[in-house]
Amino acid sequence: GENVEQHPSTLSVQEGDSAVIKCTYSDSASNYFPWYKQELGKRPQLIIDIRSNVGEKKDQRIAVTLNKTAKHFSLHITETQPEDSAVYFCAAGGGTSYGKLTFGQGTILTVHP
Amino acid sequence: GAVVSQHPSWVICKSGTSVKIECRSLDFQATTMFWYRQFPKQSLMLMATSNEGSKATYEQGVEKDKFLINHASLTLSTLTVTSAHPEDSSFYICSAGGGGRSADTQYFGPGTRLTVL
Repeated sequence: GENVEQHPSTLSVQEGDSAVIKCTYSDSASNYFPWYKQELGKRPQLIIDIRSNVGEKKDQRIAVTLNKTAKHFSLHITETQPEDSAVYFCAAGGGTSYGKLTFGQGTILTVHP
Repeated sequence: GAVVSQHPSWVICKSGTSVKIECRSLDFQATTMFWYRQFPKQSLMLMATSNEGSKATYEQGVEKDKFLINHASLTLSTLTVTSAHPEDSSFYICSAGGGGRSADTQYFGPGTRLTVL
C-alpha cells in the first residue's frame, strides 16, 4: 500500500518568513495530493491540492509543487502570519486507491509574531 | 459548499456501553464516506471506508464487530462503537467524498471526542 513520509515534524518561523513542508510517497500510481490544515480540536481543512498532471499550483500565499519522478511534493507558505500556526498534513491518493487517502505524520507549524 | 456535519461533537460514556456517531454530508451526495481515528498529536488513521448500500471495508487491525459502520443513504453514515472501553477513547472524524465532486477530494466533519470512563 501507499506510504507517506512528512518532514519536518515541527517547524518554527518568524512572522513574514516562508515555511516549507515536504512529503514523499511510495506508490507511483498515486495521482492526487491534497494538503490539510488542522487547528487544535478542529477538523482538517483542505487548503490546496494538486494532481499528477500539474507540477505546481498556487493560491495566494500557498503553493504546492510536485515531482512525480522523485515521488515527492511540497507545501510552500510565504509571508507567514500567526494565524497560519496549525498542524499541516499532506496526503496521497487517487490511482487505484478508490478514493482513499494516506496521510503523512503531520507538521506542527508555529509562526511567532 | 462541501459541508460535512458530525454528531455528537463530544460524548462521555461508561465502559461497556455503545455509542453511535453520525456523519452527514449537508450539501452534496457522498458516494463514499471514511472514518478516521486520531490520537493526540498524531495523524489521521483510517479505520474504514463505507459506500452507500454496501458493507464497509475495514483497514487491517480494525475490529469490524466493535466498530459497526452503516451507510444507509448518500448523505448519512454512522459509526457505532460497541461495548466501549477506556482504550477506545479518542477523536473520531468522518469525511465524505465523491458524488458530484472529485472522487478523490475528502471533506471532513468536525469530529467527535469520545471519552470512555
